Amino acid sequence: DIQMTQSPSTLSASVGDRVTITCRASQSISGWLAWIQQKPGKAPNLLIYDASNLESGVPSRFSGSGSGTEFTLTIRSLQPDDAATYYCQQYNSFSRTFGQGTKVEIK
Amino acid sequence: QVQLQESGPGLVKPSETLSLTCSVSGGSINPYYWSWIRQPPGKGLEWIGYIHYSGTTNYNPSLKSRVTISVDTSRDQLSLKLTSVTAADTAVYYCARDRSGRTDVWGQGTLVTVSS
Repeated sequence: DIQMTQSPSTLSASVGDRVTITCRASQSISGWLAWIQQKPGKAPNLLIYDASNLESGVPSRFSGSGSGTEFTLTIRSLQPDDAATYYCQQYNSFSRTFGQGTKVEIK
Repeated sequence: QVQLQESGPGLVKPSETLSLTCSVSGGSINPYYWSWIRQPPGKGLEWIGYIHYSGTTNYNPSLKSRVTISVDTSRDQLSLKLTSVTAADTAVYYCARDRSGRTDVWGQGTLVTVSS
């Protein structure tokens, strides 16, 4: 199975900061990676797919990059509404795997 | 706009079978894949498995021996059965659309508690 490891597990940043979350795969997944946002008590929501494609309706301050085994999610200018847990998900193989999540807190 | 709604018992006894249904509205089950994903309280997301509208399935190896996912295309519904449940299966269960790999539509989720 492909394992996904995110870092950091938690981060605290101020409004307007640039925030970066990293996701590493245990083997190459090409560009078959998504980033998902989950706010407390809510269902998850797709932000980025195929590593760098912004899902329709998602603010342009979110961006994704990477390929192979290392990927990043960047929030260009953190907003209060961005307080959430972010997960990466691989879909290279017939199975799917999520990272353990990164909780983003607003200072 | 496609919407998903999970339904089923909120309480299941240990060793019994958890059964959930997901109703798809605003669109058709064809030609997509559909996943079940769960989230234990305070923990991360775990993929359970998916089914193609044609009936092809793939399951998480850690749950494979206990999981069955089925689809009823005439009713635009998918179902999840998880046998021999324990407290570790207590979670919010989501159904979701798997579109070319990415999970782009999620249901609101339903909490299932395993307890006697």
